Amino acid sequence: GAGVSQSPSNKVTEKGKDVELRCDPISGHTALYWYRQSLGQGLEFLIYFQGNSAPDKSGLPSDRFSAERTGGSVSTLTIQRTQQEDSAVYLCASSFFPGGAGELFFGEGSRLTVL
Amino acid sequence: SQKIEQNSEALNIQEGKTATLTCNYTNYSPAYLQWYRQDPGRGPVFLLLIRENEKEKRKERLKVTFDTTLKQSLFHITASQPADSATYLCAGGAGTASKLTFGTGTRLQVTL
Repeated sequence: GAGVSQSPSNKVTEKGKDVELRCDPISGHTALYWYRQSLGQGLEFLIYFQGNSAPDKSGLPSDRFSAERTGGSVSTLTIQRTQQEDSAVYLCASSFFPGGAGELFFGEGSRLTVL
Repeated sequence: SQKIEQNSEALNIQEGKTATLTCNYTNYSPAYLQWYRQDPGRGPVFLLLIRENEKEKRKERLKVTFDTTLKQSLFHITASQPADSATYLCAGGAGTASKLTFGTGTRLQVTL
């Protein structure tokens, strides 16, 4: 595709359930980021993948959150035993350049609502 | 920890005036600063990138500065229009394998 694709666009789940959010970055982009944005707030960094390097997981809020990137392309963010405070828009972005050296292309986000 | 700070209060200006938004960084020295525009319900869209060795960069009605002494970037929109109304996000990156850290954004409202 021409841009970063995220799915699902909306997810409503019950507290305690697991959810998986998917990101298809732009082909050839080695950098991939996950951010979280709560209503009216800024972007909270979650995790950063850069090529074959070990990911920077320093932003993951708890061990209920995990992410993987398979084959240097598609990424999945998994939230286990969801809590109401996990409700937010989860944004994925990819870039050809590492470390902020080039623009990030964002997807439209996955809006997660935990009831 | 590294931090990007933006004025969380909304900026209201009249059409035709110049809007100036401020971004300050603390606890690190980013090699790059980026500015994004975000409309409600949409993902951020890239506007400009400036490197630490560049004082100023322009693109059409947009201008961004990078002051390593003040640890600050200013983002200007000249001849502002109602269509410029949006939230503007500043982000800093130290290069190589480091993450890009975003500020909380400043909402700009341009009125007729």
